[in-house]
Amino acid sequence: EAGVTQFPSHSVIEKGQTVTLRCDPISGHDNLYWYRRVMGKEIKFLLHFVKESKQDESGMPNNRFLAERTGGTYSTLKVQPAELEDSGVYFCASSQMTAYTDTQYFGPGTRLTVL
Amino acid sequence: AQKITQTQPGMFVQEKEAVTLDCTYDTSDPSYGLFWYKQPSSGEMIFLIYQGSYDQQNATEGRYSLNFQKARKSANLVISASQLGDSAMYFCAMSLNQAGTALIFGKGTTLSVSS
Repeated sequence: EAGVTQFPSHSVIEKGQTVTLRCDPISGHDNLYWYRRVMGKEIKFLLHFVKESKQDESGMPNNRFLAERTGGTYSTLKVQPAELEDSGVYFCASSQMTAYTDTQYFGPGTRLTVL
Repeated sequence: AQKITQTQPGMFVQEKEAVTLDCTYDTSDPSYGLFWYKQPSSGEMIFLIYQGSYDQQNATEGRYSLNFQKARKSANLVISASQLGDSAMYFCAMSLNQAGTALIFGKGTTLSVSS
């Protein structure tokens, strides 16, 4: 079974440009999460989808970030316009909640560098 | 506030020895889950082990075990018989209500295994 995949693996853009990150969760996983790790800091939660609905977007830093999950399958995270402080590694995770636990499986991340 | 603390920025161990990576957590929620993830230099986040707050026994997965001390609010990861491939960054994380919520991460511990 394929794991969580993310595209691109690396992106280098200039301040003010737009970037779209994509995440394909494990097939059948209803839950999809986005996280971000800025250099030297903890991994921080951004938002959580259950199928196509946003369950929790309390971690989104500002309205320059827009996440979507079309048809409850893959998800995109758009940053427009990008700022220097947006640089970091963006992780996607997916899970299929059971009555007992909700183990999140992570993708390899997208390393975003804003110059 | 909910928080995960990993006080060891780096740990060094020789092959075949056991090593303990420390993790303490802070939450007033009675229901929570604790996770450990491994991040090798390739960047992907690999799920290792899970412990629920109501679990009576410590979780084990192969060479990994979680030393769960609820009264002390600690969830240390024990790796037995270390291997060179265990060299990586290790993250402790917590979810509230055991399922369906964002993970709160610690800063991570870098483990180096030498021959």
